[in-house]
Amino acid sequence: EPEVTQTPSHQVTQMGQEVILRCVPISNHLYFYWYRQILGQKVEFLVSFYNNEISEKSEIFDDQFSVERPDGSNFTLKIRSTKLEDSAMYFCASSDRVKRYEQYFGPGTRLTVT
Amino acid sequence: AQSVTQPDIHITVSEGASLELRCNYSYGATPYLFWYVQSPGQGLQLLLKYFSGDTLVQGIKGFEAEFKRSQSSFNLRKPSVHWSDAAEYFCAVGQGGKLIFGQGTELSVKP
Repeated sequence: EPEVTQTPSHQVTQMGQEVILRCVPISNHLYFYWYRQILGQKVEFLVSFYNNEISEKSEIFDDQFSVERPDGSNFTLKIRSTKLEDSAMYFCASSDRVKRYEQYFGPGTRLTVT
Repeated sequence: AQSVTQPDIHITVSEGASLELRCNYSYGATPYLFWYVQSPGQGLQLLLKYFSGDTLVQGIKGFEAEFKRSQSSFNLRKPSVHWSDAAEYFCAVGQGGKLIFGQGTELSVKP
């Protein structure tokens, strides 16, 4: 069964450093998403991406964040200058164009900012 | 704004007992509703979904959920819990192409 994969599973970085979280969505999906979950809190939507552009973003997704589909398979989330409060589990998800709400999630990347 | 509430943060049930996890939502129109499960170290797995039609929906792993518009609820049920069901369960509502999640309910299963 096709699945969403994410790398790395755990990333530790120092405050102020840039990080790139990587995702490989399901191959025939066209919508891509990033969500995050701060420890003990809800899973929160960050951004959705379709046709090589952002289709929606939350107020969390400020100028520190960017997303990219650098090739035909990867989807990345970049945090330019990490802050302590960026420490969270980041989930990538994908869906097809028709069933947008049927989102398939990856296992997550745990980001720890020290 | 749409929101999802899962009133129970943690529930413990005995193996073989029945289970009901509560979910309430606030949404003006007919919602798209989902239950996801997250096992330790795993991603979010879709258990079941409601878009329209029959208000009782069946999902994977023997789970079902019932949409009750009058109560703005979408509770998850299972008649007999297995130890492998221990996990965190998230209710979500679809809005504008994104999912809005509840806080989650952690399920523990005792032998």
